[in-house]
Amino acid sequence: AQKITQTQPGMFVQEKEAVTLDCTYDTSDPSYGLFWYKQPSSGEMIFLIYQGSYDQQNATEGRYSLNFQKARKSANLVISASQLGDSAMYFCAMREGMDSSYKLIFGSGTRLLVRP
Amino acid sequence: DAGITQSPRHKVTETGTPVTLRCHQTENHRYMYWYRQDPGHGLRLIHYSYGVKDTDKGEVSDGYSVSRSKTEDFLLTLESATSSQTSVYFCAISADTSNQPQHFGDGTRLSIL
Repeated sequence: AQKITQTQPGMFVQEKEAVTLDCTYDTSDPSYGLFWYKQPSSGEMIFLIYQGSYDQQNATEGRYSLNFQKARKSANLVISASQLGDSAMYFCAMREGMDSSYKLIFGSGTRLLVRP
Repeated sequence: DAGITQSPRHKVTETGTPVTLRCHQTENHRYMYWYRQDPGHGLRLIHYSYGVKDTDKGEVSDGYSVSRSKTEDFLLTLESATSSQTSVYFCAISADTSNQPQHFGDGTRLSIL
């Protein structure tokens, strides 16, 4: 079974509007972390935001926030006030606490295109 | 920015030839990883290392080997490259704390003809 599912292969958003990128996960580990990365067309992987399973509040980093719904096993990324530079691939990833390798399990990604 | 350098950045080679990709870090992190990225699959773990001479397999390890003789260097080798190994390869490093992100190198685009 897929551990990380991103159901939106591609999305459009109008500049200056907010957009939500979906991510659902599957784990039986009570301790885990969720990460979002951005990959622009230049190819590098840029870390955006982190949410721990025991964190009481949703994570925020500037224009990025994470809508964390633990019971639904979802960790959606919200980008507010979209900018043209937000056009990129976005990956959701999970790290399970019992995994001593600290490896990440990635979803297949969502390609976001911001329209002027 | 985390000090991670991948070399080469681009390589074209022929089926059956050996290929070695290098990852060099200046952060003194214990954990290092090799991923491959293919359309529709996100990033998939090939091998990882948790210390000098300590390595283990990931999800897609067949056809790949790794070595880590120094903390700063992690090598990925394709002993006999196949066209199915055409991909973009990323190296990543991680501190051994669960709430810290992995940091990635800029990737190596490998084409096997």
